[in-house]
Amino acid sequence: SQQGEEDPQALSIQEGENATMNCSYKTSINNLQWYRQNSGRGLVHLILIRSNEREKHSGRLRVTLDTSKKSSSLLITASRAADTASYFCATDDAVQGAQKLVFGQGTRLTINP
Amino acid sequence: GAGVSQSPSNKVTEKGKDVELRCDPISGHTALYWYRQSLGQGLEFLIYFQGNSAPDKSGLPSDRFSAERTGGSVSTLTIQRTQQEDSAVYLCASSYRTLRTSGVPTYQETQYFGPGTRLLVL
Repeated sequence: SQQGEEDPQALSIQEGENATMNCSYKTSINNLQWYRQNSGRGLVHLILIRSNEREKHSGRLRVTLDTSKKSSSLLITASRAADTASYFCATDDAVQGAQKLVFGQGTRLTINP
Repeated sequence: GAGVSQSPSNKVTEKGKDVELRCDPISGHTALYWYRQSLGQGLEFLIYFQGNSAPDKSGLPSDRFSAERTGGSVSTLTIQRTQQEDSAVYLCASSYRTLRTSGVPTYQETQYFGPGTRLLVL
């Protein structure tokens, strides 16, 4: 079963606006990662946030993590047409200690010029 | 340096045939993973290799699926007697893990993905 669930499933905004995507998960985690996927092929790693971190930045990306609510958000500021892609959150399982990632269904982001 | 590579990029096969998918991980990465992305199913874990440890096969959907990793590097995912529901994009990822001399494990959980193999079973 899917651990992470993204919200919304699809998001369409104008270029220059900010895009916010949310992710919820079910079990205790060591870390949470966000990936981007273009055209249904390879996944590009964006950012990793550990369970003891609350916020992390990387360029135009800002990720927050609330372990009490088992949720995370990805904010892309000043969006560009090239940001059009699907975005997935992925978590490990702190209880099982496995390295395998469990992915959500993803958010399809469209940036309109 | 080179990223994770997979071959073939696309594979079309007939139902009942066997297929082999190949993954070359990033040099020096000791952990290797296979995932499958099906339409409407999202990304699902298949199998995980870590060094010389026994692989975690908990995600393999049936005994028609198997994988091996030779020499701790290249991995092959084999699907026997393919079915139409096996049609999907098969993604391979690798990550670097190391053990500190003190015995406290240190690892990077970032998994780097290959471009995937798109399998179509007719």
